[in-house]
Parts: sequence; structure tokens; C-alpha cells
Amino acid sequence: RKEVEQDPGPFNVPEGATVAFNCTYSNSASQSFFWYRQDCRKEPKLLMSVYSSGNEDGRFTAQLNRASQYISLLIRDSKLSDSATYLCVPLDTGRRALTFGSGTRLQVQP
Amino acid sequence: DVKVTQSSRYLVKRTGEKVFLECVQDMDHENMFWYRQDPGLGLRLIYFSYDVKMKEKGDIPEGYSVSREKKERFSLILESASTNQTSMYLCASTQNGYSYEQYFGPGTRLTVT
Repeated sequence: RKEVEQDPGPFNVPEGATVAFNCTYSNSASQSFFWYRQDCRKEPKLLMSVYSSGNEDGRFTAQLNRASQYISLLIRDSKLSDSATYLCVPLDTGRRALTFGSGTRLQVQP
Repeated sequence: DVKVTQSSRYLVKRTGEKVFLECVQDMDHENMFWYRQDPGLGLRLIYFSYDVKMKEKGDIPEGYSVSREKKERFSLILESASTNQTSMYLCASTQNGYSYEQYFGPGTRLTVT
């Protein structure tokens, strides 16, 4: 089983829609999680951090389900500018490094 | 703002050549990382360094080596480039303590022919 699994998509949604992505992870010792955003042909950038059960930042909500070992990212009122690939990243504190998921591509359409 | 720069955006090399990819960060970060990114495989960690002259293997170190002689600079070396090393290479850095907020460089698209 891969350490991090994400549906590659693409998720094609109209502007204003609500969309959610899930990410499953295999390392039950992971304590912290992150969502990174990567625009086409650009570098990844940190979007959100998740340390407990969840986090909310404006239109973005991240939720963690430790029992089932998945984290989700919910985007409300989608904008065209939200079109990007979203990378799920669990932190393994014993490793000093991050394991990135391969990402879920979102395409918001007018 | 943190700035991570990479020496080239695009690079074309021949099989068997020795290739150097340079990365420089300007925020005095302790940790630096090299990844490669391929479609469907995501970002895979090649090597990382948490101090000058220190290095640790990542998930796919074969065929690569690294050098960190100064804190701000982390070099990735392909001793003898092969076509399966054609990829996007991304460098990143973080402060010490937590490696989560990684700041990435713009990437180098390497093609080995």
C-alpha cells in the first residue's frame, strides 16, 4: 500500500460549487498533516496545516479522521483561481522529511 | 519573503554526462531537500540535508549524490546521467525544528537524451 493515496482526478466543477478531496495515509504514527497547492508548471506552496481534528481558513476546511486514517479538504464557493493540484502530506516526525501524495487535480470552470 | 532559487529552469544533457543542479536559499534555513516530480508519481525525495556537510538518503537516492558545503547552498549531482533521470527537479528548504512548511524553488526541467 502506498504511504499516501489520493484520487488523481481531475475534478471538474463549476464556479461556486463545493468540492471535497480525500487522502488516505498508511502510517498511523503521523501526527500532523498538510495540504499543499501546486499550480500548473509552478512549485508547491503550503495551503493548510492540520494538527488536531481539523482546520478552517476561509473557504477551505481540512478534516482529519485518525481512526480511518484519512484527511479531507473541502473547498466552498469554488473560484476559477482554485484550479490547481492539491497535494496531501502527512508528517512523519521520526523522519525529518515529508512524504507527498501525488495530488488531486481540480479544474474550476466558468 | 523566503527565496529559493535554482540554477536553471530548463536543462538538456546527454546520456553519461555529469550534471550539477544548484539550489540556493536566502533565509538561513537549516534543512534542504531535493525532490523529483514525475506524472502520476508525485514528489519523491532524493536526498536531504539538515546541516552543512550532513546528508541523508531519501526514497530514491540511486544514481544521485549531493553536496552541502555552505548552509545556503545544496547541490544535486547526477554522476552519469541516464534517460530515466529525465524529470522535474525541485529543491526545498525549511527552518529547523519542523520540516512541514517547505519553501520550494521554481524547479529545473532536466531532459537527458
